[in-house]
Amino acid sequence: HSALTQPSSVSGSPGQSVTISCTGASSDIGDFNYVSWYQLHPGKAPKLIIHDDNNRPSGVSNRFSASKSGSTASLTISGLQAEDEAHYFCSSYSGPSPNWVFGGGTKVTVL
Amino acid sequence: EVQLVESGGGLVQPGGSLRLSCEVSGFSFSPYWMSWVRQAPGKGLEWVANIKVDGSERYYVDSVKGRFTISRDNVQNSVFLQMNSVRAEDTAVYYCARVRCSSTTCYFDFWGQGTLVTVSS
Repeated sequence: HSALTQPSSVSGSPGQSVTISCTGASSDIGDFNYVSWYQLHPGKAPKLIIHDDNNRPSGVSNRFSASKSGSTASLTISGLQAEDEAHYFCSSYSGPSPNWVFGGGTKVTVL
Repeated sequence: EVQLVESGGGLVQPGGSLRLSCEVSGFSFSPYWMSWVRQAPGKGLEWVANIKVDGSERYYVDSVKGRFTISRDNVQNSVFLQMNSVRAEDTAVYYCARVRCSSTTCYFDFWGQGTLVTVSS
């Protein structure tokens, strides 16, 4: 599986919304393989923010939402806050011999 | 509180070996698959390996097959990554992560802060 494609960076002002795309292929995202999203702050443990395409774990802000259409998934951060400045990675899982493919990551900058 | 703490990273020469450890706490360790995921400098995340609850199944990304071995100790609540014949391209921050599976997919619901492995002469 090749890596998923994400924009290298997106930016927005506080209060605005930004959307990060994650494009795969018919063999991963497009093959009914579900997408998860992770937030990485430098020096901290990565954090799961979306699983099963559009489900938020308990404790994750509802400002994070996600969707998927065909081979492209998207993460939207609404009401952008300074604490949202981080790297975001999408991932697609495929079985039966379990393996995951990740995107290259998107740096979100809050202007 | 769920915690995963990696250790064992450092500087290693090409062709050398290193053993990473990840000690977990705050949850019952034995029912979960565990994984190692890495991030090379300036690159994206890459899944490296994972291990079944009882260690009976192990899976690896192609680039580390035959060189890395994942193992676990359900008494010590730990997962390990033995890295042999390391190469410069193995330089990365290595994270251990807990695998969570729903009815449809699997993902990483908790992660450690990572340990840096640098392969250089």
